[in-house]
Amino acid sequence: DTGVSQDPRHKITKRGQNVTFRCDPISEHNRLYWYRQTLGQGPEFLTYFQNEAQLEKSRLLSDRFSAERPKGSFSTLEIQRTEQGDSAMYLCASSLRSGIQETQYFGPGTRLLVL
Amino acid sequence: DQQVKQNSPSLSVQEGRISILNCDYTNSMFDYFLWYKKYPAEGPTFLISISSIKDKNEDGRFTVFLNKSAKHLSLHIVPSQPGDSAVYFCAASERGGGADGLTFGKGTHLIIQP
Repeated sequence: DTGVSQDPRHKITKRGQNVTFRCDPISEHNRLYWYRQTLGQGPEFLTYFQNEAQLEKSRLLSDRFSAERPKGSFSTLEIQRTEQGDSAMYLCASSLRSGIQETQYFGPGTRLLVL
Repeated sequence: DQQVKQNSPSLSVQEGRISILNCDYTNSMFDYFLWYKKYPAEGPTFLISISSIKDKNEDGRFTVFLNKSAKHLSLHIVPSQPGDSAVYFCAASERGGGADGLTFGKGTHLIIQP
């Protein structure tokens, strides 16, 4: 399977704990995105990397959220001091910029439940 | 302010008939539009896309139509099959993607009746 993979698929944590999610993009893709999806809503864009550079992070929901892509391959999304409102599906997508358009391919997501 | 709107939360269609899912947008800077299909507990799966320089794109049973003047697009599925039952998301991007990511609608739950 050469699609986008995410780990873990499910995470239950207590309020105040830190959590970290991993995303492995499609191998030749140079762009990587993180989204959050809550019930009844479409995915909401959070941040984006081109290779190892994080080119957009102003849409991260608060300073408790951070993301890295240290070698331009896999990425991690960390949430510090989790709150119940952080419960959601966290989606990763990757793409290969080609011409003026690109198609993002999504992973299966990590479902977070904060108790 | 929702820039991409899918005004029908759900749609029920008989197997074998045509399914038409609609999407409206407000941002005239959007130049690339995509449809994704999502099953419960899975990530969105890319279906079909269209550039703003076209008004139609076809791929097998799926056709997307774009009406730029009306800021409206639609996805046609012909014929509808039971496996098409899922939530369908319309998404749009400026300058082909990148720093703005994709902007999604809230989705339409398509139910194919046998």
